[in-house]
Amino acid sequence: QVQLQESGPGLVKPSETLSLTCTVSGVSVSTYYWSWIRQPPGKGLEFIGHTFNGGSMYNPALTSRVTVTLDMSKNQFSLTLTSVTADDTAVYYCARHTYGVGLLYWGPGTLVTVSS
Amino acid sequence: DIQMTQSPSTLSASVGDRVTITCRASQSIDSWLAWYQQKPGKAPQILISKASNLESGVPSRFSGSQSGTEFTLTISSLQPDDFATYYCQQYSNQWAFGQGTKVEI
Repeated sequence: QVQLQESGPGLVKPSETLSLTCTVSGVSVSTYYWSWIRQPPGKGLEFIGHTFNGGSMYNPALTSRVTVTLDMSKNQFSLTLTSVTADDTAVYYCARHTYGVGLLYWGPGTLVTVSS
Repeated sequence: DIQMTQSPSTLSASVGDRVTITCRASQSIDSWLAWYQQKPGKAPQILISKASNLESGVPSRFSGSQSGTEFTLTISSLQPDDFATYYCQQYSNQWAFGQGTKVEI
């Protein structure tokens, strides 16, 4: 049974760095694509980026501030978003993309608020 | 970048209605499109993959179709559990979501 769980600080100060981790169980992160998606309060979904065993791809609007990495030893993947502002306040989801299918498995999401 | 234009943004309907939601891609994405349902406070759940493949466990009243770069999600007979927000997502290149359609009573 594939499960994903986000973890990290719920509050980040403006101009600082947001860091989240997604812990995966039931499958190795060495396969599939592993994604981060966010949703500002009351708004729609925004793709942030994804990583796989071989590279990463990012939303062009965020690419200068985003890094997504794999840690196969811990079966986790992580999100780093630098120089945050209030506009980065959102529920952040991690998810697994199955090739040819889409985002089949999602974590429950974690709210990150950017505020001083 | 490939833009996804989803319409309508809000849809008012009744139980038993046939409902149609449209997503248009700004350029060809072949059939690399998925549809998701999201309920308040929950993560989205996939309904349809590759434009028209019904995912396991999804009721057969949901269906997807494609005509060129226009994609359609149809709910044949709306049920109380279907009142939710629906998103399309292209995963051809630089993945992106549509703006969402809230289906309300």
